[in-house]
Amino acid sequence: AQSVTQPDIHITVSEGASLELRCNYSYGATPYLFWYVQSPGQGLQLLLKYFSGDTLVQGIKGFEAEFKRSQSSFNLRKPSVHWSDAAEYFCAVGPVNTGFQKLVFGTGTRLLVSP
Amino acid sequence: DVKVTQSSRYLVKRTGEKVFLECVQDMDHENMFWYRQDPGLGLRLIYFSYDVKMKEKGDIPEGYSVSREKKERFSLILESASTNQTSMYLCASSSPGQGPEQYFGPGTRLTVT
Repeated sequence: AQSVTQPDIHITVSEGASLELRCNYSYGATPYLFWYVQSPGQGLQLLLKYFSGDTLVQGIKGFEAEFKRSQSSFNLRKPSVHWSDAAEYFCAVGPVNTGFQKLVFGTGTRLLVSP
Repeated sequence: DVKVTQSSRYLVKRTGEKVFLECVQDMDHENMFWYRQDPGLGLRLIYFSYDVKMKEKGDIPEGYSVSREKKERFSLILESASTNQTSMYLCASSSPGQGPEQYFGPGTRLTVT
């Protein structure tokens, strides 16, 4: 069965420190991969996506993610966290060859930023 | 930019009421989705639609129905609201021609008392 695991429910990072959020997936083939961010009381905003090609992808707000096929991982990183990055982050996977295009989401990681 | 709007940001209803949640997208997307979001459970798919008047059950359709009479509009219906349907409801849309990425509305926080 398709699944996405985000092992960290909460992470606290000091402002200015680096960040890595983990995501592992289980899928039949290399899927499309996404990271979304949700600010409090808001919908989800797409941060970045991986379809193919370069395994290091750049997104908005200074985020990047690296696809590692051997580890079935797609971890999100940011070199220097800002207080405004406090939010919940969701990893998602989607099918490469199907018409219905359903995504499977992880349960999310809540990022807290300390002064 | 894709814009997905939802009719209400906050909604309070009584047990047994019929509840309508409306979602509209302005990018001519074929696919539309309804999710509910609960703490610790992430996003769970209720229903989705890949064309007008077409619908498919998601992972948790019980207690819900949907309607898609026009391409841009996808409605979620709670036939008889119950307290366990108190949740955040998110609508999303996507287009097969643009890949599976979904664009989300701001959400409706529904409280059933």
